[in-house]
Amino acid sequence: EPEVTQTPSHQVTQMGQEVILRCVPISNHLYFYWYRQILGQKVEFLVSFYNNEISEKSEIFDDQFSVERPDGSNFTLKIRSTKLEDSAMYFCASSWGQSNQPQHFGDGTRLSIL
Amino acid sequence: GESVGLHLPTLSVQEGDNSIINCAYSNSASDYFIWYKQESGKGPQFIIDIRSNMDKRQGQRVTVLLNKTVKHLSLQIAATQPGDSAVYFCAEKYSGGGADGLTFGKGTHLIIQP
Repeated sequence: EPEVTQTPSHQVTQMGQEVILRCVPISNHLYFYWYRQILGQKVEFLVSFYNNEISEKSEIFDDQFSVERPDGSNFTLKIRSTKLEDSAMYFCASSWGQSNQPQHFGDGTRLSIL
Repeated sequence: GESVGLHLPTLSVQEGDNSIINCAYSNSASDYFIWYKQESGKGPQFIIDIRSNMDKRQGQRVTVLLNKTVKHLSLQIAATQPGDSAVYFCAEKYSGGGADGLTFGKGTHLIIQP
């Protein structure tokens, strides 16, 4: 069964450094998403991406965040200058359609900011 | 009920029994709902979805019930197995207005006792 894959599984970064989280969505999907889950809290929506542009973003997705689809398979989340509070699990998801289509998640990248 | 931080509502059932996990959703305009299962160290795994024009949908060993009047969603798992032990999240979405992001509930920890 096709799946969303994320790398790395764990990223440790010094505060203030840039970090790039990588995702390979399911191949025939058209919509891509990033979510985060701070330890012990809900999964929170960050951003959605369709047709090479941001479709929707939440309040969390401020100017330090950016997303990119650099080629036909990868989807990346960049955090420009990491803060301690960016420590969380970051999940990538993809879906075939936008409305009423299930979003399928990867296993996440655990980001630890020191 | 509500939980804060690391304290998720927990449901413990005997292997082979049926379980019911409940979720109160927040947005009366939401028209699409998904149940996810999250095992330790993994991402949310799609279980079943339901659109607001339905009040019941069945899958393999799972049934989702939707009560829009009281904004309540439930997941019934029949004949529970040890592999059903996980945290279960409901998620909601309003498809109109180009909204893409899912809003997740806080989750329920299901424990299957042998």
